[in-house]
Amino acid sequence: GAVVSQHPSRVICKSGTSVKIECRSLDFQATTMFWYRQFPKKSLMLMATSNEGSKATYEQGVEKDKFLINHASLTLSTLTVTSAHPEDSSFYICSAPLQGGGGYEQYFGPGTRLTVT
Amino acid sequence: GENVEQHPSTLSVQEGDSAVIKCTYSDSASNYFPWYKQELGKRPQLIIDIRSNVGEKKDQRIAVTLNKTAKHFSLHITETQPEDSAVYFCAASRGGSYIPTFGRGTSLIVHP
Repeated sequence: GAVVSQHPSRVICKSGTSVKIECRSLDFQATTMFWYRQFPKKSLMLMATSNEGSKATYEQGVEKDKFLINHASLTLSTLTVTSAHPEDSSFYICSAPLQGGGGYEQYFGPGTRLTVT
Repeated sequence: GENVEQHPSTLSVQEGDSAVIKCTYSDSASNYFPWYKQELGKRPQLIIDIRSNVGEKKDQRIAVTLNKTAKHFSLHITETQPEDSAVYFCAASRGGSYIPTFGRGTSLIVHP
């Protein structure tokens, strides 16, 4: 099946610094990728839709200047958390859709655990 | 937009019992309903899905039913095992659109 990778799997950073998370589709091309945030024991919250070659589409309430998204190629999207604060600590997951029979299936990355101290 | 409600939030069963998780959706144009299983600290994995042209689908111990008129769909797990313990998410999306709306998740605990 399709594989999506994410790097790093865990990162600890200090308040005020920036962190970049990479999401790659390994064996298929993805013109669109999605970035989610997940709090402990909570559901996946869609943050933004990453579009290859154009600007990302952010969900309401998500600060686009804080969560910078770049989709420079058909297999790579990056999420940069700028000027991180402890409240940004969370589990960040990306996904990429792949069209199957009759619809799209989402393939998720393994997630990145961000801890801001 | 789409709104997906999922119940219960927590479900505790004994090994061998059945477990049922229910979801409702609001957008009548939704026609693809996947279910994901997420183990602690891991990625969500698709376990079964159903499209609006069918009412039920089975895969071994897992089955999903869909009632389009009532706009609800359910996940049924029979003969539960401890390794079924995880968080399960339902989702709904429109055909041609690949942006799913997720339910809040159900934490299933199967006691040996």
